[in-house]
Amino acid sequence: AQTVTQSQPEMSVQEAETVTLSCTYDTSESDYYLFWYKQPPSRQMILVIRQEAYKQQNATENRFSVNFQKAAKSFSLKISDSQLGDAAMYFCAPPSRGSNYKLTFGKGTLLTVNP
Amino acid sequence: DVKVTQSSRYLVKRTGEKVFLECVQDMDHENMFWYRQDPGLGLRLIYFSYDVKMKEKGDIPEGYSVSREKKERFSLILESASTNQTSMYLCASSPDRYSNQPQHFGDGTRLSIL
Repeated sequence: AQTVTQSQPEMSVQEAETVTLSCTYDTSESDYYLFWYKQPPSRQMILVIRQEAYKQQNATENRFSVNFQKAAKSFSLKISDSQLGDAAMYFCAPPSRGSNYKLTFGKGTLLTVNP
Repeated sequence: DVKVTQSSRYLVKRTGEKVFLECVQDMDHENMFWYRQDPGLGLRLIYFSYDVKMKEKGDIPEGYSVSREKKERFSLILESASTNQTSMYLCASSPDRYSNQPQHFGDGTRLSIL
């Protein structure tokens, strides 16, 4: 199976501050999408943000943005102005090797937001 | 909004039983997935289906089988449940193999095998 590395099993951030979650991966594809998903204690996996690999511009969704370095195969998630509701497990999901529609999920980073 | 519904949130079964986990999606998606989620291991793909009656093995298919008789429904089957299959099971769907759209997930089934 493809390697996806989320090097921070746990992270914490103070409310209103910024935190960055890291992800590196391995792929031989040249044109693909990458995703960050969030899983709160309620359990449902929710899409946070999507990046198209052929686009130079980093994706942004409100307080969430990515730093995508294609050559380095790095895809980090930045959360600005952290809120208590951001507390969750975050999963990085690049494409599986040889596939654009199957994903390989990282092991996750558990984010705690302190009031 | 896409709705992916898993039939049970919690399920308790006994070793050796045949167990069915059901998943239904309401958006006419071609792709459906079954994942297993364990602490420290993330999500691991068990099986994938891209059309009715079509299936592909994922990374950990041993001990599992699947059925997709209708487009909206994808069933995961544990032929003879074992304690090491105690886990959280997540179902997901996505439109097709070409559009790179995100997967949509159900709420998960926490399965305990005693």
